[in-house]
Amino acid sequence: AQSVAQPEDQVNVAEGNPLTVKCTYSVSGNPYLFWYVQYPNRGLQFLLKYITGDNLVKGSYGFEAEFNKSQTSFHLKKPSALVSDSALYFCAVREAGGSQGNLIFGKGTKLSVKP
Amino acid sequence: DSGVTQTPKHLITATGQRVTLRCSPRSGDLSVYWYQQSLDQGLQFLIQYYNGEERAKGNILERFSAQQFPDLHSELNLSSLELGDSALYFCASSVVDSVSSGNTIYFGEGSWLTVV
Repeated sequence: AQSVAQPEDQVNVAEGNPLTVKCTYSVSGNPYLFWYVQYPNRGLQFLLKYITGDNLVKGSYGFEAEFNKSQTSFHLKKPSALVSDSALYFCAVREAGGSQGNLIFGKGTKLSVKP
Repeated sequence: DSGVTQTPKHLITATGQRVTLRCSPRSGDLSVYWYQQSLDQGLQFLIQYYNGEERAKGNILERFSAQQFPDLHSELNLSSLELGDSALYFCASSVVDSVSSGNTIYFGEGSWLTVV
């Protein structure tokens, strides 16, 4: 069965510092991995995805994520956090070639960036 | 703006009642997905339709049903509502069935359902 783990319920970062939001996954075959962000009282916005190719994926708003197959991880990173990055971040996975197209989501990590 | 439109944005109803949530996918998208977001369960996949046909089923209760119409809009029907059904219901869409592709699923802003 597919699953996603986001081990931290909350991450606190000072503005200007680098941030990392962790994600590990479990699928039988190769994964398609996604990050979404949810601002208060808003829907989920797509940030970036890994399908194949370069392990470092760049996305919206200066975010990037690194796919590590040996560690089954897909951590979200940003070199310099902004207060406006404060939101709920979700990692999601779909098995490549699997029978279903829906995404399996982690429980989310609340990112708080303080000035 | 993702291009996925959901109505209503907010809904308050009593236990035992029935409600219908509506979703218009992005232009050109054939797949529609419904997700439920609650504090205790997180984001749960409910059901997927592709070009009018049910494609995949997740943790959808028997009291809930959905359909996708010929114009590709979708409706999620929730009946015999209970307090525990209070949640944010998301609709999402993607271009294709997504079985073997990495195409992105785009989400609407959700419909807040409060059951009192």
